[in-house]
Amino acid sequence: NAGVMQNPRHLVRRRGQEARLRCSPMKGHSHVYWYRQLPEEGLKFMVYLQKENIIDESGMPKERFSAEFPKEGPSILRIQQVVRGDSAAYFCASSPSQEYEQYFGPGTRLTVT
Amino acid sequence: TQLLEQSPQFLSIQEGENLTVYCNSSSVFSSLQWYRQEPGEGPVLLVTVVTGGEVKKLKRLTFQFGDARKDSSLHITAAQPGDTGLYLCAGPKMSQGAQKLVFGQGTRLTINP
Repeated sequence: NAGVMQNPRHLVRRRGQEARLRCSPMKGHSHVYWYRQLPEEGLKFMVYLQKENIIDESGMPKERFSAEFPKEGPSILRIQQVVRGDSAAYFCASSPSQEYEQYFGPGTRLTVT
Repeated sequence: TQLLEQSPQFLSIQEGENLTVYCNSSSVFSSLQWYRQEPGEGPVLLVTVVTGGEVKKLKRLTFQFGDARKDSSLHITAAQPGDTGLYLCAGPKMSQGAQKLVFGQGTRLTINP
């Protein structure tokens, strides 16, 4: 049973470009969560999605950031017009339901130059 | 302000020593989870504690949940270099009708051979 998959593992973008981060949850998991981690810090919640629905996006900046989890395919976290402050590790987690434990992917390390 | 405070933030000890790290909050949590994160990887779930006063053991690691479910501790006996990593505590919080994990800032543990 494969774990949570994220790609790419490393992404370099110039200021103003777009970044697309992908997350495939564990088999049987329909709940996906995105977190951001700055160096030497814990993880900060960004957004919680179920298939085709955004449940809670209270941790996501209102501008430039968006997330989706389509009926088919991976969840996508999209950052438009990236700035240096977007440089961080972005982690995706999945669970079979809201009450169950979350399992994390290996993360995507975004560097904005 | 941090909902979950971890201490110490950094700890460096010699192989074979014992150590305890703490996770404290002024809020009650229905459960708390401990994760270990290694450089370049995602957090890996170690344990979930649910009942106030509960003690769980994982080989040389002992986890305790406070009686009031506001704090937790992780004790490592005879630490080994393989224990090196970032230890994160996390707890579920309801917000906007959805449950999400809030994380402490972590304890970065280094075990020197």
